[in-house]
Amino acid sequence: QQQVKQSPQSLIVQKGGISIINCAYENTAFDYFPWYQQFPGKGPALLIAIRPDVSEKKEGRFTISFNKSAKQFSLHIMDSQPGDSATYFCAASARGSGNTGKLIFGQGTTLQVKP
Amino acid sequence: GAGVSQSPSNKVTEKGKDVELRCDPISGHTALYWYRQRLGQGLEFLIYFQGNSAPDKSGLPSDRFSAERTGESVSTLTIQRTQQEDSAVYLCASSLGTAGRNTEAFFGQGTRLTVV
Repeated sequence: QQQVKQSPQSLIVQKGGISIINCAYENTAFDYFPWYQQFPGKGPALLIAIRPDVSEKKEGRFTISFNKSAKQFSLHIMDSQPGDSATYFCAASARGSGNTGKLIFGQGTTLQVKP
Repeated sequence: GAGVSQSPSNKVTEKGKDVELRCDPISGHTALYWYRQRLGQGLEFLIYFQGNSAPDKSGLPSDRFSAERTGESVSTLTIQRTQQEDSAVYLCASSLGTAGRNTEAFFGQGTRLTVV
């Protein structure tokens, strides 16, 4: 019940295209859903995050879509650029009183944007 | 420094030796987490510290793994009698807290541990 399942494992997109990464979770106590971007040799960095009281959040070219009833959320990268080539992780956590806020991560998606 | 600092950045050790990994969280961050990232895998939660509360050790894979934190500062992760399957990148993260906007976790660059 603690798992977060992420797909696809790898993704190749042409420059200017849309990259879509999907995640699904089981634990209904999760109330915070961040996406992290990781470049080789670096630690993950927060890209964008959403709470379950909204269905979509957009920041620049990055959008999270959230479907609470299906327990699924996805990351859309519009106008993908070669500089977006990295590994992307979805995560989920339960915050607030009595919870540690520990992040449960998906397995990651390696994105390659071809020029 | 402004970010989470981990040392060493790389560590090669012989099987059976003990290793100690260090994490300096962002100043003022009360929550500290350790994660393990095996090659090509996602991050696996190990342990969590929050202020003076009892740590959440539920992710530690065996009793060879232990961690300490002094107050709200430095943390050390110790792996005793290292095995080859312990080879991974060990990541530390800190956050202001665990509720609301304080949840954002900032990660260090990790320690790459290789057990030979």
